[in-house]
Amino acid sequence: DAKTTQPPSMDCAEGRAANLPCNHSTISGNEYVYWYRQIHSQGPQYIIHGLKNNETNEMASLIITEDRKSSTLILPHATLRDTAVYYCITNTGNQFYFGTGTSLTVIP
Amino acid sequence: NAGVTQTPKFRILKIGQSMTLQCTQDMNHNYMYWYRQDPGMGLKLIYYSVGAGITDKGEVPNGYNVSRSTTEDFPLRLELAAPSQTSVYFCASRRTLTSGAKNIQYFGAGTRLSVL
Repeated sequence: DAKTTQPPSMDCAEGRAANLPCNHSTISGNEYVYWYRQIHSQGPQYIIHGLKNNETNEMASLIITEDRKSSTLILPHATLRDTAVYYCITNTGNQFYFGTGTSLTVIP
Repeated sequence: NAGVTQTPKFRILKIGQSMTLQCTQDMNHNYMYWYRQDPGMGLKLIYYSVGAGITDKGEVPNGYNVSRSTTEDFPLRLELAAPSQTSVYFCASRRTLTSGAKNIQYFGAGTRLSVL
C-alpha cells in the first residue's frame, strides 16, 4: 500500500470550507483512497473513499487528481464539531496504515 | 445496533501483570483488527483476523497474543505488561469484500490502558 503525506495541522473558520490535502504519489492503479477522522480520541470514523473519480456524500467531497498522486478532502461548511484528526489512507488489502493525519481546528 | 464493543474502557496494570482486552462485534464481519494508539500518534496495527481460526501479525505484534474462536469475538492478550504498552487500544471490524470498494472499518470506543 502506498504511503500518504498530510500536513500536521490546519485551521478553518467556522462556516467556511475546509480543504485537507493528501499526497499519495506512489499509489498503484487499484488502490483506493480512504478518509477517516478521529474526534477527541474516539475510534476513527469513515468519511469517504474513491478510486479515480470525484466523490461526494453527506459528510464531504473527495477530489482526486487525474494522475491520482494527490487528493483533497473538502468539508463544505465546517462546524466546530468537525474539529478532529483526519487520516488519508490508501489500501488494497487486509491492512490499513494510519499515519499521523492532519489535526483540523475549526475556529468560531 | 451495538456495532463494535470493547471492554474494559479503562484499566491500570502493574508491570508484569497480564490481562485480556475484549472485543465483540454484532455485524457478522469476518475481518477484525486490533490497533494501538500512543499519544499524538496515528494507529498502529497489532494483529488482525480474516475469519474464525485465522489470525496474522500486523506492524507491532510483540508482547501481544490473539485468538479468534468465533466470528463475533477477537480478544487481545497481554501476558507480561510493560510500561511501553501504555496506550489506547482500538478494535475494528469490516465485512468481507467482493471488490476493493468500501473497505470500511468500524471501530470500537477504545480501551485506555496504563502500565505502572
